[in-house]
Amino acid sequence: QVQLQQSGAELTKPGSSVKISCKASGYTFTSYDISWIKQRPGQALEWIGAINPGSGGTGYNEKFKGKATLTVDKSSSTAFMQLSSLTPEDTAVYYCARGSNWEGFAYWGQGTLVTVSS
Amino acid sequence: DTVLTQSPALAVSLGQRVTISCRASKSVSTYMHWYQQKSGQQPKLLIYSASNLESGVPSRFSGSGSGTDFTLTIDPVEADDIANYYCQQSNELPLTFGSGTKLEIK
Repeated sequence: QVQLQQSGAELTKPGSSVKISCKASGYTFTSYDISWIKQRPGQALEWIGAINPGSGGTGYNEKFKGKATLTVDKSSSTAFMQLSSLTPEDTAVYYCARGSNWEGFAYWGQGTLVTVSS
Repeated sequence: DTVLTQSPALAVSLGQRVTISCRASKSVSTYMHWYQQKSGQQPKLLIYSASNLESGVPSRFSGSGSGTDFTLTIDPVEADDIANYYCQQSNELPLTFGSGTKLEIK
């Protein structure tokens, strides 16, 4: 079965960077884009961007350009998102999700809580 | 960006029918999807491309609409349906989500 397993919670300081991972299993990793989605406490969902694991091509929400960098490691079927220059406004749960324009996001990771605090 | 507008909250009695609406600021054709999110959990896809029921989702859930106006219907509502519901468009980048509708029991 399709699974997306994310890395554990992170506690980081303002101004630092963090890299979280999303390991895919149960399907051909290079066949579907992986998106990353942010959810601040009690807030709605925001799409950060997506990566095509086959080509490495990326697309970002303008709001997150310069903040998030998406990469993949095909050998381990893992997608990564690095968040830089962290501020308290980056405190959120970050989800990876597999989807397509037609099917929506049918599969989600369990989420990674990133807390930015001094 | 395509803005998706949802009512913040709805109260419904168990066993009744409820419709949750989502209005897009521009046409998204039928590239609209619906998710259920319970407290502390990741979102779960219910309906894709406006009216297609995701595998494993109870037939109590249905979706309709095209262009700018969409609805998610739950009939009948069960206690397990208490959650936040989000619409999401995939017609154009950036992908956007509605602000969510919180379903409450009367």
